[in-house]
Amino acid sequence: DAGVIQSPRHEVTEMGQEVTLRCKPISGHNSLFWYRQTMMRGLELLIYFNNNVPIDDSGMPEDRFSAKMPNASFSTLKIQPSEPRDSAVYFCASSAGQGKYFGPGTRLTVT
Amino acid sequence: QKEVEQNSGPLSVPEGAIASLNCTYSDRGSQSFFWYRQYSGKSPELIMSIYSNGDKEDGRFTAQLNKASQYVSLLIRDSQPSDSATYLCAAGGGGSSNTGKLIFGQGTTLQVKP
Repeated sequence: DAGVIQSPRHEVTEMGQEVTLRCKPISGHNSLFWYRQTMMRGLELLIYFNNNVPIDDSGMPEDRFSAKMPNASFSTLKIQPSEPRDSAVYFCASSAGQGKYFGPGTRLTVT
Repeated sequence: QKEVEQNSGPLSVPEGAIASLNCTYSDRGSQSFFWYRQYSGKSPELIMSIYSNGDKEDGRFTAQLNKASQYVSLLIRDSQPSDSATYLCAAGGGGSSNTGKLIFGQGTTLQVKP
């Protein structure tokens, strides 16, 4: 089992640029979660999907953030335009009911 | 605002001692509780889940839940230097499915000294 796969692992971009983070959940898991982690705010849930349908996006900070899950094996989190305060580690996690498994994360730096 | 509170630490214990990590939560509707371990630069890893009042043991780990006091704890017996990490407490909604929203605490950093 390859676990949750995220890409890229590191992303450095300039303010104003579009950033797309990608996630492949564990096969057979029907729930997918996007989290953001910073020293100041800890681990925050941005959005989660059940069976590819967005269930709760109340954690998405602003309209600059959007997430999609076009099929059971792929999800994207897009930030457009990016700002320095978006710098954080973004984790994707998947679940099949018991146990939530996190991917390795994408470290985003916006300069 | 639903919150999960943890002491950020660091909590320092000698090797072989019992480490006690504590967590309180504000949402009385929370029904599922989890402990995650996160090594520096790595992703959180689920180590314990608990849904009912009382104790749940798994190897050197014991999770304790008291819903009346809205209190969750994690005991690590015979602490090892490899246990040094940040421990995140999380609370979720009804049922034991863990498919829903989890609220995480800020984490407690544990240092086990040889």
